[in-house]
Amino acid sequence: QKEVEQDPGPLSVPEGAIVSLNCTYSNSAFQYFMWYRQYSRKGPELLMYTYSSGNKEDGRFTAQVDKSSKYISLFIRDSQPSDSATYLCAMSDDNYGQNFVFGPGTRLSVLP
Amino acid sequence: NAGVTQTPKFQVLKTGQSMTLQCAQDMNHNSMYWYRQDPGMGLRLIYYSASEGTTDKGEVPNGYNVSRLNKREFSLRLESAAPSQTSVYFCASSGWGGQGTEAFFGQGTRLTVV
Repeated sequence: QKEVEQDPGPLSVPEGAIVSLNCTYSNSAFQYFMWYRQYSRKGPELLMYTYSSGNKEDGRFTAQVDKSSKYISLFIRDSQPSDSATYLCAMSDDNYGQNFVFGPGTRLSVLP
Repeated sequence: NAGVTQTPKFQVLKTGQSMTLQCAQDMNHNSMYWYRQDPGMGLRLIYYSASEGTTDKGEVPNGYNVSRLNKREFSLRLESAAPSQTSVYFCASSGWGGQGTEAFFGQGTRLTVV
């Protein structure tokens, strides 16, 4: 079993839809959780960062962490064609930034 | 604020050639990383440097060497390139302790080894 699992997609949705992206993980020591967006032929850019369990909202984006289920989610409301990208989850077990583990990414297409 | 800058953006090498990928960050981060990204494989850590003067192997270090030249710069060297090293390479940096742990990435180097 991989340390972080993520459905690779591709996921296609119509413009305006609510998108749910998910990752599961096996290491209960993970405490720091991140979502990155990667456009084609670009570097990943940090979208959301959360510590421990709970929700965090930023505009149209909401990140949820359920440590008891080892499950994290990213919700995108009112999705736009500009949201079409690959979304990577990442997590770490320390406050020293050395042990990031990335999911393989989910490719999202938002159709106009 | 440039963030993380990588050079070059593209490179084609012949098998057996050597090259160095350069990375610099201006965020005063302690930690720096080199990843490779291959289709279906996600990001895999090659080497990282937790602080100036230290480097450690990641998941896929074979065929690579690194140098943490100073706090800002972290280079990746391929001594004898192989076709299996064809990939997109990303440099990243992060703070630690009070600086936060999220990683910031450069724009990548697309390397083809023929």
